[in-house]
Amino acid sequence: SAVISQKPSRDICQRGTSLTIQCQVDSQVTMMFWYRQQPGQSLTLIATANQGSEATYESGFVIDKFPISRPNLTFSTLTVSNMSPEDSSIYLCSVEPSGRANEQFFGPGTRLTVL
Amino acid sequence: AQSVAQPEDQVNVAEGNPLTVKCTYSVSGNPYLFWYVQYPNRGLQFLLKYITGDNLVKGSYGFEAEFNKSQTSFHLKKPSALVSDSALYFCAVRAYTGGFKTIFGAGTRLFVKA
Repeated sequence: SAVISQKPSRDICQRGTSLTIQCQVDSQVTMMFWYRQQPGQSLTLIATANQGSEATYESGFVIDKFPISRPNLTFSTLTVSNMSPEDSSIYLCSVEPSGRANEQFFGPGTRLTVL
Repeated sequence: AQSVAQPEDQVNVAEGNPLTVKCTYSVSGNPYLFWYVQYPNRGLQFLLKYITGDNLVKGSYGFEAEFNKSQTSFHLKKPSALVSDSALYFCAVRAYTGGFKTIFGAGTRLFVKA
């Protein structure tokens, strides 16, 4: 399995500001994803973080709003830009380790509240 | 369109009784199916998966799931529920939509009463 940590675990931010969430994995992984989850609700895939190239965004999510970095095979960041209260959510990092095909492991999540 | 449905928002069961959490799916081709569990204030944990082979799949914490192709279902089961099983359960399907992606159901909250 893969051990995933996220920073920060939670934050309260003002409207119009930006927050960068970090995801660190204890082993090299090819596939890395960012999800959003409203508390108690389902997960929505934001994007696939590609190492060495631009992230692949899902419908409804754009790079200007959610820029993603993936500088190496163990680390990624997601920035939530120009935040509004509608961005209040839990943001989850997920990986699919090599050798564990079709099994996704999730980080503990970052709980974001935008005032 | 690829999708997964969990028809029950909530399932209530008494401790010691068997539990079932329902899931149906709609995908083209052979499905890859998964169950995840989310305990309060924690991330998702992988429970089990069906890729191919036996229709009955065994997973973590005594859970199992049965793949039924004719009914396009993948219900999660446990013979004897524990209070500690109370959590939010997500069914998911791996599907190709311009790339392989995991699509999650809406989730079912399981309450196990002592």
